[in-house]
Amino acid sequence: GAGVSQSPSNKVTEKGKDVELRCDPISGHTALYWYRQSLGQGLEFLIYFQGNSAPDKSGLPSDRFSAERTGGSVSTLTIQRTQQEDSAVYLCASSDPWDTQYFGPGTRLTVL
Amino acid sequence: DQQVKQNSPSLSVQEGRISILNCDYTNSMFDYFLWYKKYPAEGPTFLISISSIKDKNEDGRFTVFLNKSAKHLSLHIVPSQPGDSAVYFCAASRNSGNTPLVFGKGTRLSVIA
Repeated sequence: GAGVSQSPSNKVTEKGKDVELRCDPISGHTALYWYRQSLGQGLEFLIYFQGNSAPDKSGLPSDRFSAERTGGSVSTLTIQRTQQEDSAVYLCASSDPWDTQYFGPGTRLTVL
Repeated sequence: DQQVKQNSPSLSVQEGRISILNCDYTNSMFDYFLWYKKYPAEGPTFLISISSIKDKNEDGRFTVFLNKSAKHLSLHIVPSQPGDSAVYFCAASRNSGNTPLVFGKGTRLSVIA
């Protein structure tokens, strides 16, 4: 079946602009995660959705970051007033509860 | 503070030999550990996992060993193949994997033909 998909694959934006990144999880997966990988770093957790529960936002680095998940499926990560330190690869993963997380290919964000 | 550490940023191994990638963790609440493999411009791909109730899990050429008292795990690849060349990430979680993963910074493995 289809894996996790993300769009766009690459995004270049100017400092101060808002960006939206999209994640389509594996069909039927109730859990969805956003991570980011900055240059030379490991993956850093951002936000976690599980079913209809309130999302775990404990990893969001600032209030410029937000995410929503509509209908328990597609998720959008929004970064407002982007800064150069936001440049990273943003990765989405989905899973069944207590199961392996499967990752999408990521969106490479470059803030000029 | 880094809760999951991969102290070797890179490793080179001859084709056919054993590759050993190491990982240390500090949080004793972690009970589930995973290894992911990542090629450039792709997302991480799940490789193998181990629960804290075990000390070894094997899948084909890949074996993960867990030493809870030392808070250390390792991934063994035998025999190593050129296609194994990638960045390997160690990850850990609580609650049997039903929580966000905490990743190390990765080890770049190069398998030389």
